[in-house]
Amino acid sequence: SQTIHQWPATLVQPVGSPLSLECTVEGTSNPNLYWYRQAAGRGLQLLFYSVGIGQISSEVPQNLSASRPQDRQFILSSKKLLLSDSGFYLCAWGRRANEKLFFGSGTQLSVL
Amino acid sequence: AQSVTQLDSQVPVFEEAPVELRCNYSSSVSVYLFWYVQYPNQGLQLLLKYLSGSTLVKGINGFEAEFNKSQTSFHLRKPSVHISDTAEYFCAVSDQDTGGFKTIFGAGTRLFVKA
Repeated sequence: SQTIHQWPATLVQPVGSPLSLECTVEGTSNPNLYWYRQAAGRGLQLLFYSVGIGQISSEVPQNLSASRPQDRQFILSSKKLLLSDSGFYLCAWGRRANEKLFFGSGTQLSVL
Repeated sequence: AQSVTQLDSQVPVFEEAPVELRCNYSSSVSVYLFWYVQYPNQGLQLLLKYLSGSTLVKGINGFEAEFNKSQTSFHLRKPSVHISDTAEYFCAVSDQDTGGFKTIFGAGTRLFVKA
């Protein structure tokens, strides 16, 4: 069966520090991978998605970047965090547009 | 470009009353439509989806949704809600993109069911 791992679950970082959140998927190959940020009143905002290794599409201009170094690994990064980067980050994967997405358990990021 | 608008940020309702959560979408191509639910302190769970065919779709926990192409709407309904339906509900649209697909979510509707 397929599983998705996302870590860490919580993270507190000072402003200006770097960020690396990792997501890995097991039990499937060549998944479409996604990073979302969930904020109150704004729903799930799509940040990045990837259809293959090294292929990243950015949905919103921001202080973050994403990379996909391996087929089932998706990384969200920042060189210097801002206060506005605080939020709940969700990784997800899917196979086809007519099927549901599978979500990780999320990372609560607090930038202080 | 796709977009999803959930018209109500919060919907309070009494137990056993009917409820409708509204969703409108825009897309330049044919899309697939979904409703997800997030119970307190839990992850997102698929309620139902519309792919094609019958415009009335039935999901889990007694929920149903109606696809209306002319109004570009996909409203979620339940004839009689329970306290346990208190949760946040997200409408989503998914369509094909170069080499894959992407799913856009609405801002969510928080349903409060009162005794």
